[in-house]
Amino acid sequence: SAVISQKPSRDICQRGTSLTIQCQVDSQVTMMFWYRQQPGQSLTLIATANQGSEATYESGFVIDKFPISRPNLTFSTLTVSNLSPEDSSIYLCSVVGGSEQYFGPGTRLTVT
Amino acid sequence: AQTVTQSQPEMSVQEAETVTLSCTYDTSENNYYLFWYKQPPSRQMILVIRQEAYKQQNATENRFSVNFQKAAKSFSLKISDSQLGDTAMYFCASDHTGNQFYFGTGTSLTVIP
Repeated sequence: SAVISQKPSRDICQRGTSLTIQCQVDSQVTMMFWYRQQPGQSLTLIATANQGSEATYESGFVIDKFPISRPNLTFSTLTVSNLSPEDSSIYLCSVVGGSEQYFGPGTRLTVT
Repeated sequence: AQTVTQSQPEMSVQEAETVTLSCTYDTSENNYYLFWYKQPPSRQMILVIRQEAYKQQNATENRFSVNFQKAAKSFSLKISDSQLGDTAMYFCASDHTGNQFYFGTGTSLTVIP
């Protein structure tokens, strides 16, 4: 199993600013995943972050808007840039281990 | 494309009763994994149960069991003896590659005391 922590747990940000979310895992993992969960909806994969290489973004998500860092095997950050109210969501990081997926507690972002 | 469909946006069940949540999926793969996740109001995603497609026997975890119908691509979750703590969003998910999980839109379950 894997224990994942995220910071911050929630934030309220103004339009046009950026928020960086940190994800820490208690074990070394090759891939980390970032998801967005908009209010009342399911999870949508934003990107897959591999250590030592560029993140792979899903359709509809671009690096300029969602830059990701993966400096080592236990840590990743997701930045949501140039915030708009449509970015108000829960952002979750996750890892896969033993064919199971483990999730962080999520970061609730509200953009005003 | 891989898709997971949950056709029940909301469900309710009386405490101590049994409820079944539906899920269908689409895949061209022969081997894959299926999951049910629970997301309570605290929003922490918790794995409830997992089924490997090559196993014919339905997975069971205490009060939670699945009805896996591979030919029909159906994967329903049965919760027996429902408890108030079962109130949550339930997501069905599939994993066909070991890296990419596909999630359904979720079913909001309310257990009524």
